[in-house]
Amino acid sequence: GENVEQHPSTLSVQEGDSAVIKCTYSDSASNYFPWYKQELGKRPQLIIDIRSNVGEKKDQRIAVTLNKTAKHFSLHITETQPEDSAVYFCAAHNTDKLIFGTGTRLQVFP
Amino acid sequence: EAQVTQNPRYLITVTGKKLTVTCSQNMNHEYMSWYRQDPGLGLRQIYYSMNVEVTDKGDVPEGYKVSRKEKRNFPLILESPSPNQTSLYFCASGIGTGKNIQYFGAGTRLSVL
Repeated sequence: GENVEQHPSTLSVQEGDSAVIKCTYSDSASNYFPWYKQELGKRPQLIIDIRSNVGEKKDQRIAVTLNKTAKHFSLHITETQPEDSAVYFCAAHNTDKLIFGTGTRLQVFP
Repeated sequence: EAQVTQNPRYLITVTGKKLTVTCSQNMNHEYMSWYRQDPGLGLRQIYYSMNVEVTDKGDVPEGYKVSRKEKRNFPLILESPSPNQTSLYFCASGIGTGKNIQYFGAGTRLSVL
């Protein structure tokens, strides 16, 4: 079955810097890759997603890139702000299931 | 307002005492799913349902049951809870085959003593 690896597990950046979180997946049949943000004590919320027929997608300060050949995708956050501090999860959709990575705790210091 | 409602939010129980966590969505979504979240392990799928009367196992189904008698409800049942089922549980719903899981419930924190 599908396996999703996510790195790094923790990431600390200074406010205004960029943050990059990377995920790899194992099953080339996976074709949908969402990213979720989970603030402390809250539920995961979808922040951006990308489908396998697209290489890059951007929404204001966040962007996601997908390399199907290498089977990896990344989340890029530019001009980070303290409110970006949260745990971020990548996921890969395979048949009827959504397989999640283990999460990245991002801390943005003022 | 579009929402997924889970109850209870917090639950402390003892080993072997049957319990049910309810989940209800008001968006007429076909797809519903249960996840458990444990530190360092991310979100792992327990069971999912593509539509009424259609359920299937996720990655960690042992010790859990579900039912989907109505489109809006998807309860999670622990027939004989054990301490290793202590976790944070999330219900989620989405359109179609699960590719658009956009709505999670607020979570249920379960402790089994």
